[in-house]
Amino acid sequence: ETGVTQTPRHLVMGMTNKKSLKCEQHLGHNAMYWYKQSAKKPLELMFVYNFKEQTENNSVPSRFSPECPNSSHLFLHLHTLQPEDSALYLCASSQHSGSDYEQYFGPGTRLTVT
Amino acid sequence: RKEVEQDPGPFNVPEGATVAFNCTYSNSASQSFFWYRQDCRKEPKLLMSVYSSGNEDGRFTAQLNRASQYISLLIRDSKLSDSATYLCVVVLNTGGFKTIFGAGTRLFVKA
Repeated sequence: ETGVTQTPRHLVMGMTNKKSLKCEQHLGHNAMYWYKQSAKKPLELMFVYNFKEQTENNSVPSRFSPECPNSSHLFLHLHTLQPEDSALYLCASSQHSGSDYEQYFGPGTRLTVT
Repeated sequence: RKEVEQDPGPFNVPEGATVAFNCTYSNSASQSFFWYRQDCRKEPKLLMSVYSSGNEDGRFTAQLNRASQYISLLIRDSKLSDSATYLCVVVLNTGGFKTIFGAGTRLFVKA
């Protein structure tokens, strides 16, 4: 399935590195999301964009910086991460950011911070 | 108290069994409810929405009890392919919409 794609699929980075995660949706949706999934913990919503405008920042540390240049693309810029930031980062999209819309997830980027 | 709570399981059931999962939520501003399914090392996918009147999709039945603030998922005639983690999802309407996932309930269906 290619509705929502994410690159890279795996990333290992040091604490002093800067890297970016990319998400692209081919569904014509207007809302995009970043989630963090750590082992044995629920998905944590990080950021929400609706029509390219950020509508939710769930108290995420500033070392995570999102960017949404258009409704189809979403980036997560990473810098000076900590080992506890190692997790699966999932991107999702939906028609709009309202309550009734199914979210379609990408395959995720598995991030390891060393 | 967690905003969305689920029994983590795992539930180990034989093929053909009926299994039920419950999920409780704490915020009365919860507006919409869903069950998602996540296979091992895969992304979550929508299984079904949950409506106030209850709804059924083949072997799957979802119920919502707003008074007691819980939702349930019933799987009848379990198949090996039903083995997965089932995620309870609640969307709050507190001025803006916020999606909250439960930690999930793991199901293993064995032959």
